[in-house]
Amino acid sequence: AQSVAQPEDQVNVAEGNPLTVKCTYSVSGNPYLFWYVQYPNRGLQFLLKYITGDNLVKGSYGFEAEFNKSQTSFHLKKPSALVSDSALYFCVMDSNYQLIWGAGTKLIIKP
Amino acid sequence: NAGVTQTPKFQVLKTGQSMTLQCAQDMNHNSMYWYRQDPGMGLRLIYYSASEGTTDKGEVPNGYNVSRLNKREFSLRLESAAPSQTSVYFCASLNDVTGGEGQYFGPGTRLLVL
Repeated sequence: AQSVAQPEDQVNVAEGNPLTVKCTYSVSGNPYLFWYVQYPNRGLQFLLKYITGDNLVKGSYGFEAEFNKSQTSFHLKKPSALVSDSALYFCVMDSNYQLIWGAGTKLIIKP
Repeated sequence: NAGVTQTPKFQVLKTGQSMTLQCAQDMNHNSMYWYRQDPGMGLRLIYYSASEGTTDKGEVPNGYNVSRLNKREFSLRLESAAPSQTSVYFCASLNDVTGGEGQYFGPGTRLLVL
């Protein structure tokens, strides 16, 4: 069965430290993978996508994600966290034009 | 461009009442989607429309109907609202999943069913 898992409900990081939000997936074939962000009381915004090619994908607001086929992971990373990065992050996989969403990880950046 | 718009932003219904959530996009996208968002559940797909004139069920279609009125508009109808349908509803549109910027989302509709 195709699925996306975000194993952490919440991630706490001090401002200025690197952050990682984890995502693993299960699919037959090659996945298309996305990260979306939802800021408090606002709609969803696209961050970045992996379709093919370079395993390191760069996106908006200084975020990047690393695609690892052997570990079936697509972790979201940022070298130096900002308080303004605090939000809800979703990992998403495309499967035949239907998007399969992870449950979301709440990222809290403390000053 | 207004992007994806949704109306209403908030709605309170009594059990058994009906209502239609409206969604429109002005980006000439082929595909449109309706999701519901519940705490700890992520987004769950209710229905989607890959092109004008077609609609398909998603993960949680029961209790809902949709209409793809034209390329711009995709409405979601609750015929007889139930408390379990209390949620935040998001409409989205997509041009090309391989070459585009992912889905574009509306601001959401907060629905409370009493």
